[in-house]
Amino acid sequence: EPEVTQTPSHQVTQMGQEVILRCVPISNHLYFYWYRQILGQKVEFLVSFYNNEISEKSEIFDDQFSVERPDGSNFTLKIRSTKLEDSAMYFCASSETTQVGELFFGEGSRLTVL
Amino acid sequence: AQSVTQPDIHITVSEGASLELRCNYSYGATPYLFWYVQSPGQGLQLLLKYFSGDTLVQGIKGFEAEFKRSQSSFNLRKPSVHWSDAAEYFCAVGAGAAGNKLTFGGGTRVLVKP
Repeated sequence: EPEVTQTPSHQVTQMGQEVILRCVPISNHLYFYWYRQILGQKVEFLVSFYNNEISEKSEIFDDQFSVERPDGSNFTLKIRSTKLEDSAMYFCASSETTQVGELFFGEGSRLTVL
Repeated sequence: AQSVTQPDIHITVSEGASLELRCNYSYGATPYLFWYVQSPGQGLQLLLKYFSGDTLVQGIKGFEAEFKRSQSSFNLRKPSVHWSDAAEYFCAVGAGAAGNKLTFGGGTRVLVKP
């Protein structure tokens, strides 16, 4: 069964460092998303991406964050200068359409900022 | 803005017993509602969804959920729990105009006693 894969599964970084989280969406999917879950809190929408551009972003997704699809298969989330409060589980998701709810999630990348 | 409340943070149930997880939502229009499950070390897997029509929705793994507009609820049920059902369960509401921008509840962790 096709699945969304994410790397790394866990990354520890120092505050102020740049981090790139990588995702390989399901191959025929066209819409890509990042969600995050801070420990003990709800899963929150960060950003959606379609046709090589951001289609929607939340207020959390500030200038420190960026997304891109560099090579037609990977979908990355970059945090330019990490802060302690960026520590969270980051989930990538993809969908074939924008039909609500047809999201397939990866297993998540846990980011720990020290 | 939409919101989702899962009143129970933890539920412990005996194997073979029935399970009901509560979910209440707030949304101005007809909601798109979902239940996701997250097993340890796994991503979020869609159990079932409600868009319209029959208010009793069947999902995978023997789960079902009932949409009750008058109570703004979408409770998840399973008649007989298996040890493998131990996981965290998330209710979510989707905003149709925004495609797959899901708002999640805080989750309910289910423990299954032998």
